[in-house]
Amino acid sequence: QQQVKQSPQSLIVQKGGIPIINCAYENTAFDYFPWYQQFPGKGPALLIAIRPDVSEKKEGRFTISFNKSAKQFSLHIMDSQPGDSATYFCAASRQAGTALIFGKGTTLSVSS
Amino acid sequence: SAVISQKPSRDICQRGTSLTIQCQVDSQVTMMFWYRQQPGQSLTLIATANQGSEATYESGFVIDKFPISRPNLTFSTLTVSNMSPEDSSIYLCSVGGLWLAGTDTQYFGPGTRLTVL
Repeated sequence: QQQVKQSPQSLIVQKGGIPIINCAYENTAFDYFPWYQQFPGKGPALLIAIRPDVSEKKEGRFTISFNKSAKQFSLHIMDSQPGDSATYFCAASRQAGTALIFGKGTTLSVSS
Repeated sequence: SAVISQKPSRDICQRGTSLTIQCQVDSQVTMMFWYRQQPGQSLTLIATANQGSEATYESGFVIDKFPISRPNLTFSTLTVSNMSPEDSSIYLCSVGGLWLAGTDTQYFGPGTRLTVL
């Protein structure tokens, strides 16, 4: 499987801060890039997703920035809250709805 | 959105036995996937299960160890055979592809937490 590299492995921010999680991919055939949020004991939940024809997408406090030439994308969480404390995974696939290749995950802790 | 349920939610099994995990979706879906998530790790795709065809397995996973059934558009099973402690993981079902609602987002079930002694 082609690799998706995610960093940092863990992140601690204060309430109201803007954590940024970065991912890089290798396979230029990927054209769907979702981010998932996972709480302990739960399955991953889709947060937001982007396709390469868009450089930025916002949904509520979550923003994806996409740099096609650099093959990188990142997740920004605006005004982070303690309830955002979870593990975040980036992923990529050849098209939406098909098998996903996941990054290793970032554990985010937001202190109050 | 799709509602996905998995049974059992967790189980503790003895080495050498087999466990069948069920995945039920509340709507018809084209593609179903089985992933494994080892403790504290990321998700790794085991296989893709499409209705009416044989499952497609990823490198490192074989049908004899992880047989999959996909009898209809709302149900699939994954069996973990001849288990060893290394099989202790969370097994997740996910669904994707176009369905009646016209969306194509991939959703995950709650997972089955398996411990092999």
